[in-house]
Amino acid sequence: DTAVSQTPKYLVTQMGNDKSIKCEQNLGHDTMYWYKQDSKKFLKIMFSYNNKELIINETVPNRFSPKSPDKAHLNLHINSLELGDSAVYFCASSHRVAGGTDTQYFGPGTRLTVL
Amino acid sequence: AQSVTQPDIHITVSEGASLELRCNYSYGATPYLFWYVQSPGQGLQLLLKYFSGDTLVQGIKGFEAEFKRSQSSFNLRKPSVHWSDAAEYFCAVASNDMRFGAGTRLTVKP
Repeated sequence: DTAVSQTPKYLVTQMGNDKSIKCEQNLGHDTMYWYKQDSKKFLKIMFSYNNKELIINETVPNRFSPKSPDKAHLNLHINSLELGDSAVYFCASSHRVAGGTDTQYFGPGTRLTVL
Repeated sequence: AQSVTQPDIHITVSEGASLELRCNYSYGATPYLFWYVQSPGQGLQLLLKYFSGDTLVQGIKGFEAEFKRSQSSFNLRKPSVHWSDAAEYFCAVASNDMRFGAGTRLTVKP
């Protein structure tokens, strides 16, 4: 069983479109995250949720809106996609809040390409 | 604010040779330190972590890392590299959130 899963694995879309990436974890963790990895492999946290509540919201355009229907899911919705949004997006989860100190388990990533 | 630096962008070693990947951190208190590995097209997998105690930490796949407070370093080592170790390696430091280094890409020559 996959611990942290993301769909889709690949997403190719036109500029200006709205798209969503889904993430689910079956580890029973309380905290989930979204990271963006750019073309130079630099990983940057975007959001952190604990029990469906937003904990960390880094400087991310408000076109990005995370949604957590329950603590096992954290979806990422992106409005009005731009070329610069092209990246690999990783979902992760950890057991507790103060999410930095607990081991984070990562999903396989979603490669988003905006044309 | 905490930060982490990986000075080497790309390292090439021969199969069977030893490996050391460097990581330096900046953090006011005792840091929580991690090494993750990312194989091509895959997510990140935890290799090892340091919270406290013994400064030499053993991880999976034969990797180890040593925490040196005086040098603000947490270098990753492996005595004999296998071709399957070719991947991107990320060092991370954590407090309220996790900050990753820029990564070191490891190439293994046959």
